[in-house]
Amino acid sequence: AQSVAQPEDQVNVAEGNPLTVKCTYSVSGNPYLFWYVQYPNRGLQFLLKYITGDNLVKGSYGFEAEFNKSQTSFHLKKPSALVSDSALYFCAVRDIAAGGYNKLIFGAGTRLAVHP
Amino acid sequence: DGGITQSPKYLFRKEGQNVTLSCEQNLNHDAMYWYRQDPGQGLRLIYYSQIVNDFQKGDIAEGYSVSREKKESFPLTVTSAQKNPTAFYLCASSMPRQGSNQPQHFGDGTRLSIL
Repeated sequence: AQSVAQPEDQVNVAEGNPLTVKCTYSVSGNPYLFWYVQYPNRGLQFLLKYITGDNLVKGSYGFEAEFNKSQTSFHLKKPSALVSDSALYFCAVRDIAAGGYNKLIFGAGTRLAVHP
Repeated sequence: DGGITQSPKYLFRKEGQNVTLSCEQNLNHDAMYWYRQDPGQGLRLIYYSQIVNDFQKGDIAEGYSVSREKKESFPLTVTSAQKNPTAFYLCASSMPRQGSNQPQHFGDGTRLSIL
């Protein structure tokens, strides 16, 4: 079965410093990977996805993610963190359900706290 | 602007009562989903629907029911059989069903609590 793991419940970083939020995956076949962000009492917002091609994927709000097949990882990164980046971040992998329909499997989430 | 609208934002349920959460989308998406979010557990799939008049159970369907009579609407009923309904419920939609790599779009959720 497909799965994702986010090994850190919380990541703390100072404003202006680079940030990394970790994600590892386990899939059969080629992985389709996604990152979402959630602000308090809001839904999830799509940041970026990896389907195929370049291992470095660029997304919204200056975020990027690096796909590493040998380490089965898809870490989210940003060169310079902002206080406004403080939120809950979810990694997800596409799964194929019965009938060939796609669905997402989400990690438990990582809370990012950026301090001034 | 296109999007997903969930209502109400807050909902309270009495013991033995069924409550229905509304989800409407104007994105012309075929697929719609309901998730439950509990602290520290991420999102868990309750039900999904890939086309009108068809829906499938997700990982935690017990105590919930859905309908998909219109493409735009996918209401979720939390029945009295759901003994621990307190959670944040999220509705999502996405483009064509099979083989899609398109992201899911989410509404802003309904927070359900027990009185």
